[in-house]
Amino acid sequence: KNQVEQSPQSLIILEGKNCTLQCNYTVSPFSNLRWYKQDTGRGPVSLTIMTFSENTKSNGRYTATLDADTKQSSLHITASQLSDSASYICVVSGKGTYKYIFGTGTRLKVLA
Amino acid sequence: DTAVSQTPKYLVTQMGNDKSIKCEQNLGHDTMYWYKQDSKKFLKIMFSYNNKELIINETVPNRFSPKSPDKAHLNLHINSLELGDSAVYFCASSQDPGGEYNEQFFGPGTRLTVL
Repeated sequence: KNQVEQSPQSLIILEGKNCTLQCNYTVSPFSNLRWYKQDTGRGPVSLTIMTFSENTKSNGRYTATLDADTKQSSLHITASQLSDSASYICVVSGKGTYKYIFGTGTRLKVLA
Repeated sequence: DTAVSQTPKYLVTQMGNDKSIKCEQNLGHDTMYWYKQDSKKFLKIMFSYNNKELIINETVPNRFSPKSPDKAHLNLHINSLELGDSAVYFCASSQDPGGEYNEQFFGPGTRLTVL
């Protein structure tokens, strides 16, 4: 069964600190992996999209990595800001399918 | 200039009623989606339309019926509402239904509460 699991479920850090969120998936064959940020009360917004051949992709202070062999991805947030407080969702798409498999997300809270 | 808009933002209704949620996108995209986000914040796809044709129809009760009058609109009609239908419903759109860099744009969501 195609699954996407994220850890930790929730995370609290102090402003200015770095953090790393994890995503493990079993989707096969693999097409691409996306990280979304979802602010409370809003729809998800895309941060990065990576295909099989890409190991890393950055978007400002957000850097995503992908290891297609171990089926793992991480999202690293550098110098966190209060506005980074949100849910971060990992989404995996299989090859030859229109479906997107969503992870349950990691809730990040950044404290002043 | 809202890219993907949904109405209403909040919907409170009694069990057994019929209600509709409207979605419009002004991005010129060919593909639109409906997602349901439950209380545990898990997003699950319900339907997808490409050029007004249904391409994804997940296992949802047939009380849910999507309607796409044109490429820019995908409405969701729900009959005989049940308590378990309470959730946040998100509409999204993308240029194509697949593709490695196909990005989805989400609407602000509609919070449905069934009493």
